[in-house]
Amino acid sequence: SQTIHQWPATLVQPVGSPLSLECTVEGTSNPNLYWYRQAAGRGLQLLFYSVGIGQISSEVPQNLSASRPQDRQFILSSKKLLLSDSGFYLCAWSPDSYEQYFGPGTRLTVT
Amino acid sequence: AQSVTQLDSQVPVFEEAPVELRCNYSSSVSVYLFWYVQYPNQGLQLLLKYLSGSTLVESINGFEAEFNKSQTSFHLRKPSVHISDTAEYFCAVSDEGGYNKLIFGAGTRLAVHP
Repeated sequence: SQTIHQWPATLVQPVGSPLSLECTVEGTSNPNLYWYRQAAGRGLQLLFYSVGIGQISSEVPQNLSASRPQDRQFILSSKKLLLSDSGFYLCAWSPDSYEQYFGPGTRLTVT
Repeated sequence: AQSVTQLDSQVPVFEEAPVELRCNYSSSVSVYLFWYVQYPNQGLQLLLKYLSGSTLVESINGFEAEFNKSQTSFHLRKPSVHISDTAEYFCAVSDEGGYNKLIFGAGTRLAVHP
């Protein structure tokens, strides 16, 4: 069966510091991968998606970037965090369909 | 542009009462529809989906949703809720732009009281 991991689970970072969040998927190959952000009390905002290694599409202009160095690895990064980057970050994967399966999330607090 | 509207941001209900969480979408093409549930500080779990066929779909824990094409709705119902159903519920529709993207509603917080 397929599983999706995210780490770290929680993170507290000062403004201006770098960020790296990692997501890995097991038990499947060539999945579509997605990064979402969920601000407090709000819905999900799609940040990036990837249909293959090295292929990244950005949905909204922002202070973040994404990379997919391996088939089942998806990384969310920032060079300098802003206060507005705080939120709950969710990674999801999808087989060749519209069903998406979510990881446990990373709670990021920028102070 | 496509959108998903969840008409109620919060729904309080007593245990064992019925509940309906409303979802409407806008799309000019055939769609796939989903309901996800999120418990506090956790990721989203797929609750049920409509891809094709019967317009009434059911989950293993007693929820059901009905696809109504004429009203562009996909409301979620449960005849008798439990305390453990307290969570955030998100409706989602397939994005016409492809790449298996989904468009999510803002969510409905279901609070079940004893």
